[in-house]
Amino acid sequence: GNSVTQMEGPVTLSEEAFLTINCTYTATGYPSLFWYVQYPGEGLQLLLKATKADDKGSNKGFEATYRKETTSFHLEKGSVQVSDSAVYFCALYSSASKIIFGSGTRLSIRP
Amino acid sequence: DAGITQSPRYKITETGRQVTLMCHQTWSHSYMFWYRQDLGHGLRLIYYSAAADITDKGEVPDGYVVSRSKTENFPLTLESATRSQTSVYFCASSEAGTANQPQHFGDGTRLSIL
Repeated sequence: GNSVTQMEGPVTLSEEAFLTINCTYTATGYPSLFWYVQYPGEGLQLLLKATKADDKGSNKGFEATYRKETTSFHLEKGSVQVSDSAVYFCALYSSASKIIFGSGTRLSIRP
Repeated sequence: DAGITQSPRYKITETGRQVTLMCHQTWSHSYMFWYRQDLGHGLRLIYYSAAADITDKGEVPDGYVVSRSKTENFPLTLESATRSQTSVYFCASSEAGTANQPQHFGDGTRLSIL
């Protein structure tokens, strides 16, 4: 069945460092892919999405490219800020509006 | 304000008690979902609903009951709470299902069962 695997955390970086959070998926066909972010005490928010192979989703300085050859959707940001500290979830569209989530990666940014 | 709201935000109860978590959305979205979030498991789908009076099981439905008599409300009931149901519960909604529609989440209910 469909599944998502993302790198385990926590990930701790200094402010202005480069960020990569790895995500790979297993799926039938080419489902839409998502990154969600969860700030402390809040629900999940959609960060970015890509709907087909080679699409690049981007938002708030974050980017991820849908790579069907490597079945990956890695999240990147060139220069992180303290305000980026959160839990990040990779996810894929399954069926009937259902979404399958990865286990989440906690990111902490040091000033 | 438009959005999706969950109540209560925090709840402590005892094993064997019945507890209902409420979810209300103002967008008139067709689909609604209930998830639980536990360390090491990410989010797991409990139940979902495609429209009023249509509900279906997700990945972990045992011990839970849902109903959807109105489009905007989707309550989740634990009929006889157990300690293993201690978790953070999230409700979400989305427009009629296409792959491009994101899900919109509430802020969650933290439930502790003693």
